[in-house]
Amino acid sequence: GAGVSQSPSNKVTEKGKDVELRCDPISGHTALYWYRQRLGQGLEFLIYFQGNSAPDKSGLPSDRFSAERTGESVSTLTIQRTQQEDSAVYLCASSLEQGRTGELFFGEGSRLTVL
Amino acid sequence: QKEVEQDPGPLSVPEGAIVSLNCTYSNSAFQYFMWYRQYSRKGPELLMYTYSSGNKEDGRFTAQVDKSSKYISLFIRDSQPSDSATYLCAMRVAGAGSYQLTFGKGTKLSVIP
Repeated sequence: GAGVSQSPSNKVTEKGKDVELRCDPISGHTALYWYRQRLGQGLEFLIYFQGNSAPDKSGLPSDRFSAERTGESVSTLTIQRTQQEDSAVYLCASSLEQGRTGELFFGEGSRLTVL
Repeated sequence: QKEVEQDPGPLSVPEGAIVSLNCTYSNSAFQYFMWYRQYSRKGPELLMYTYSSGNKEDGRFTAQVDKSSKYISLFIRDSQPSDSATYLCAMRVAGAGSYQLTFGKGTKLSVIP
């Protein structure tokens, strides 16, 4: 596809369930980012993948959160034992390595609601 | 103090008005400054970026950076209803391996026809 693709676009789950969110970056983009956007808040960095380097997981809020990326393609963000405070829009972005400075291409996000 | 402060608004202006959006920041190491536009239920898209201090103009949009005051601005001239969106400032430090953007909370703008 032409842009960053994320699925599902909406997910409603019960507290305590696990969820998996998927991101398909722009072809050829080696860098991939996950951000979280809570209602009324700025984007919060979660994790960064660059090629085959070890990912920067410094933004993951707890050990319930994990993410994987296969090579330079699809990434999945997994949240285990979801809590209500996990409700947010999870945004994936990709770029050409570090790209033109600041030029991250975002997907439309996965809106997660934890009941 | 948060690293980046941005008034969330909402800001409502009549069509044709000049809009001024601002952010302040505390980290003097920030060197790259960006403005992203986010329409409702969409991902952010890069609108403007600048390096260090100065002005940059692109059509109806002008970005200004004043590093001495740790203050950045985005001006929109002749605002249009299609400009109605949330505007997020973002910034990062320079240097290899510096990829994390720090975002403001965003200002929601409505341009009324």
